[in-house]
Amino acid sequence: AQKITQTQPGMFVQEKEAVTLDCTYDTSDPSYGLFWYKQPSSGEMIFLIYQGSYDQQNATEGRYSLNFQKARKSANLVISASQLGDSAMYFCAMREAVISGGGADGLTFGKGTHLIIQP
Amino acid sequence: NAGVTQTPKFQVLKTGQSMTLQCAQDMNHEYMSWYRQDPGMGLRLIHYSVGAGITDQGEVPNGYNVSRSTTEDFPLRLLSAAPSQTSVYFCASSALGGKYNEQFFGPGTRLTVL
Repeated sequence: AQKITQTQPGMFVQEKEAVTLDCTYDTSDPSYGLFWYKQPSSGEMIFLIYQGSYDQQNATEGRYSLNFQKARKSANLVISASQLGDSAMYFCAMREAVISGGGADGLTFGKGTHLIIQP
Repeated sequence: NAGVTQTPKFQVLKTGQSMTLQCAQDMNHEYMSWYRQDPGMGLRLIHYSVGAGITDQGEVPNGYNVSRSTTEDFPLRLLSAAPSQTSVYFCASSALGGKYNEQFFGPGTRLTVL
């Protein structure tokens, strides 16, 4: 089973509108972190926002907020007042606090959502 | 700080050739990892390391070797390149411990195997 599911392969949104990018996750670990990354056409991975499983409040970073619904295992990214520069691939990722073999596991990524902001 | 650097940016190999992708970080991070990104996919973990002398396999380790002789460097070796290894490779690093460990990514290496 997929650990991170992003159900929207692509989205078209009008400039200045708010955008919600969906992400659901699957884990039995009580301690985990959820990340959102932006990947513009230039290819680099840009960190946007983080939510810890024990955080009481939803994370916010400028125009980005994370709608964290723990019981539903959902961690949707909300971009307020979208801009043309927001056009990019967006990836949801999870890091579980599982210690195995003396090491720490990396991030598990979803397949991404291609967001296109139209003027 | 340069952050995470990767070389080369682009590489074309023939099937069966070997090569090493270089990765270095100057943030004194204990944790380093390699991912590959294929079209239509998210990043998948190849190998990772929690410190010098310690490495472990990720989700897709076959065909790749790693070593960690210093905190700063984490090279990825392709032993005998295959067309299935055509991909974009990202190196990442982060601190260990604490509740929040953002992974910092390098700019990526685009590899084509003919």
